[in-house]
Amino acid sequence: KAGVTQTPRYLIKTRGQQVTLSCSPISGHRSVSWYQQTPGQGLQFLFEYFSETQRNKGNFPGRFSGRQFSNSRSEMNVSTLELGDSALYLCASTSQTGNTEAFFGQGTRLTVV
Amino acid sequence: AQSVTQLDSQVPVFEEAPVELRCNYSSSVSVYLFWYVQYPNQGLQLLLKYLSGSTLVKGINGFEAEFNKSQTSFHLRKPSVHISDTAEYFCAVSGTSGTYKYIFGTGTRLKVLA
Repeated sequence: KAGVTQTPRYLIKTRGQQVTLSCSPISGHRSVSWYQQTPGQGLQFLFEYFSETQRNKGNFPGRFSGRQFSNSRSEMNVSTLELGDSALYLCASTSQTGNTEAFFGQGTRLTVV
Repeated sequence: AQSVTQLDSQVPVFEEAPVELRCNYSSSVSVYLFWYVQYPNQGLQLLLKYLSGSTLVKGINGFEAEFNKSQTSFHLRKPSVHISDTAEYFCAVSGTSGTYKYIFGTGTRLKVLA
């Protein structure tokens, strides 16, 4: 069974640009969550999608957005990038069968210069 | 609201010695508890989880944790560590209502010394 796949693994962007990150969950998983990991703030929840609907949202500005497609693949977008957006962005997928374990991808390392 | 406190940011320990990584949580509702491990430039891998039942939970790689409701703790232990256990360890909680929002602690960096 393939794991959670995040693309790309590494990105370098310039301040003011926008970026889109992609996450393919484990087959059959319908919940996808996104987290931002930085040395200063640790792991912070961004949002969770289930069946193309955002169910939960963390405390991030509106520049951070996401969506989920009918095949459960998810994308997150960050507009007007700031230096502080440099981080490892992790995606996690979860089955809805009662096992609440979240399976994480390897992450996308975003560097804003 | 929920929160997780990992009291130790770094724990050095000699190889084959026992180790305990501490985790305390705060929540007004029932929670599920998790320990994840992260190796450099990798995602998170689940070590173990407590959902219900026995308070002593055994996980992968010889790790175990004990859920203590009265002390709101979920400490991670291993009786004998190996060099390969060097990594960052995260404690996390989630609510039991079915939405998968995890609150993570700040992490404990375990360094196993030869």
